[in-house]
Amino acid sequence: EAGVTQFPSHSVIEKGQTVTLRCDPISGHDNLYWYRRVMGKEIKFLLHFVKESKQDESGMPNNRFLAERTGGTYSTLKVQPAELEDSGVYFCASSRLVGSGANVLTFGAGSRLTVL
Amino acid sequence: AQSVSQHNHHVILSEAASLELGCNYSYGGTVNLFWYVQYPGQHLQLLLKYFSGDPLVKGIKGFEAEFIKSKFSFNLRKPSVQWSDTAEYFCAVLARGAGSYQLTFGKGTKLSVIP
Repeated sequence: EAGVTQFPSHSVIEKGQTVTLRCDPISGHDNLYWYRRVMGKEIKFLLHFVKESKQDESGMPNNRFLAERTGGTYSTLKVQPAELEDSGVYFCASSRLVGSGANVLTFGAGSRLTVL
Repeated sequence: AQSVSQHNHHVILSEAASLELGCNYSYGGTVNLFWYVQYPGQHLQLLLKYFSGDPLVKGIKGFEAEFIKSKFSFNLRKPSVQWSDTAEYFCAVLARGAGSYQLTFGKGTKLSVIP
């Protein structure tokens, strides 16, 4: 099966600009997660979708971040306006909702965001 | 809230040396435990996982980990490392967070294997 795909792989923007990251999960995976790794720190949970619904967005840093998953397929994460501290690698992961794979997340390659 | 502690930030070994990476977690309930690996330029990959049963789990590429409940530990081991094991290794625990089950990661351990 195709893996989790993320786009772009690297984005360089200036402070105050907007960036939209996209994640295409594995087909049939209803769980979709966003994580972020700021340089030198641990990978941190941002939010969790079940199909098109936000199950848990407790990790979202602030209201400059907006995640959507219209139709329950791909997801976007928009940062507007971007700040310097938003720089990092944004990972997307997906998993099945039920069954043996429900608790096993498959990760994408990540989108590296650099805010200048 | 749950947390994961990885003891070593960077480990340097010669080929054929044995490896043990420490991982401790803090969470009072039932946990699922994972080790993920990120090879240079690649995405995070699952190395092995523990859900229940035999506390000694075997993963890909000769890696194994032992869950010791009394010590809240899940250390990763490999008897003889290879240059191709150079990567960053992440311990993670799946437990209930503020709104749902979340993976909580340690800070990662970079492993450099010298030929």
